[in-house]
Amino acid sequence: GEDVEQSLFLSVREGDSSVINCTYTDSSSTYLYWYKQEPGAGLQLLTYIFSNMDMKQDQRLTVLLNKKDKHLSLRIADTQTGDSAIYFCAESRVNDMRFGAGTRLTVKP
Amino acid sequence: EAEVAQSPRYKITEKSQAVAFWCDPISGHATLYWYRQILGQGPELLVQFQDESVVDDSQLPKDRFSAERLKGVDSTLKIQPAELGDSAMYLCASSFVTLNTGELFFGEGSRLTVL
Repeated sequence: GEDVEQSLFLSVREGDSSVINCTYTDSSSTYLYWYKQEPGAGLQLLTYIFSNMDMKQDQRLTVLLNKKDKHLSLRIADTQTGDSAIYFCAESRVNDMRFGAGTRLTVKP
Repeated sequence: EAEVAQSPRYKITEKSQAVAFWCDPISGHATLYWYRQILGQGPELLVQFQDESVVDDSQLPKDRFSAERLKGVDSTLKIQPAELGDSAMYLCASSFVTLNTGELFFGEGSRLTVL
C-alpha cells in the first residue's frame, strides 16, 4: 500500500472551498508538497511547506501541516472549474519523493 | 519557460517488443528522475541520476529495464521485452539540486500501452 494516503475523490461546487487531506508516514520529511496533474499531463508543483511550519498561504491556496499527526491539508478557496484535476500529496525522503495515489477533484458549475 | 522534454508522448507496442523513452531535463539541472505512474496511482521512482551517475535504481526491474544518462544531460529509459504490466505513464523529472531541498520539474510523460 501507499505510505502517503489520500482520499480518492472530492466533488465541490464552483465558488466553494475545497479541502484535500493527506497523511504521511516519514516524520523526518523535510518538505511536503502538493502537485496538480491535469488529464494527460505531467505533474505541476502547486505549493510546498517546510516541516517546521504549520501553515503556508499562497493566493487561493492554504496548506496546513500537523506534524504530530503527520497530517497535511490543501485548501483551495473559491474553487473554479479549472481547478478540476488530480492533486497529489508528496513527502520528501533522502533521495526520493513519495507520492500518494492522488485525489481527483471535480468542480461542478 | 524552460521545460522537461519527453518523447514519444504515446507509444503502443506488443508484448515482447522493445521500447525506449527519451528525456531532456531543464538546462543546468544535475538531477534527473524517471518515475512510473500506473493508472489511478501516484508516481513511483524507477531511477535517479546525479549527473551521469545512478544514485538510486533499487526499484528498477533490471531484468528488463535499463536507463542511461551518458553525458549527464539527456537520458533514455528502455524496456526489453515489454510486458502487459508495463502499461503506464513514464514521467521524467529534473531538479537543480538533490531532492529534499528543491522542487521537481516534471515533463508531460510518455504513455505506454502494451498489447
